[in-house]
Amino acid sequence: QQQVKQSPQSLIVQKGGISIINCAYENTAFDYFPWYQQFPGKGPALLIAIRPDVSEKKEGRFTISFNKSAKQFSLHIMDSQPGDSATYFCAASMRTGGSYIPTFGRGTSLIVHP
Amino acid sequence: KAGVTQTPRYLIKTRGQQVTLSCSPISGHRSVSWYQQTPGQGLQFLFEYFSETQRNKGNFPGRFSGRQFSNSRSEMNVSTLELGDSALYLCASSLDPGLAGEQYFGPGTRLTVT
Repeated sequence: QQQVKQSPQSLIVQKGGISIINCAYENTAFDYFPWYQQFPGKGPALLIAIRPDVSEKKEGRFTISFNKSAKQFSLHIMDSQPGDSATYFCAASMRTGGSYIPTFGRGTSLIVHP
Repeated sequence: KAGVTQTPRYLIKTRGQQVTLSCSPISGHRSVSWYQQTPGQGLQFLFEYFSETQRNKGNFPGRFSGRQFSNSRSEMNVSTLELGDSALYLCASSLDPGLAGEQYFGPGTRLTVT
């Protein structure tokens, strides 16, 4: 059973466009929702994250929108750049055994054409 | 401060063999988590160690095991390798795993089972 569903699987946008990646979760016990960015040959790196008591969080060109009632959240990349080309993972976390353990979506491969 | 290091970076093994992967966390981090990344299943949590004790375990067979040493370095072992074990194995370390968003990933070990 996939607890975090991510779409689309791949995304191609033009430079300057808006990239939108969506995720949905099932377990209402999740209380932390991070997005990770992964470049080839590298491990994932935390990009931006949100708590369920906030509906939107913005950091530079990256914005998370969160809809608690719908159990959905999304990543918006404004003014997408070729350097943003990477794989993006959403995740949902809750404290388990004293630690936050993320459950990841399947990932979205983003290609930004110059 | 040096990041998370994983050795070896690439490994080729034959079905039925066993393998040991190593992870050195960021200096001062006491928690180490392991993940398996495959194109089909995405990022899946294997287990987490904190102060030499396994605190959380994912849904993987007993062939997958791990341990953590007193210097926080960790190893994971996979016995009786199967073709489906081919994956990128990622290690992540945390200073305080009880705080969300504190995981820092290494570059991973690419395991190929033939």
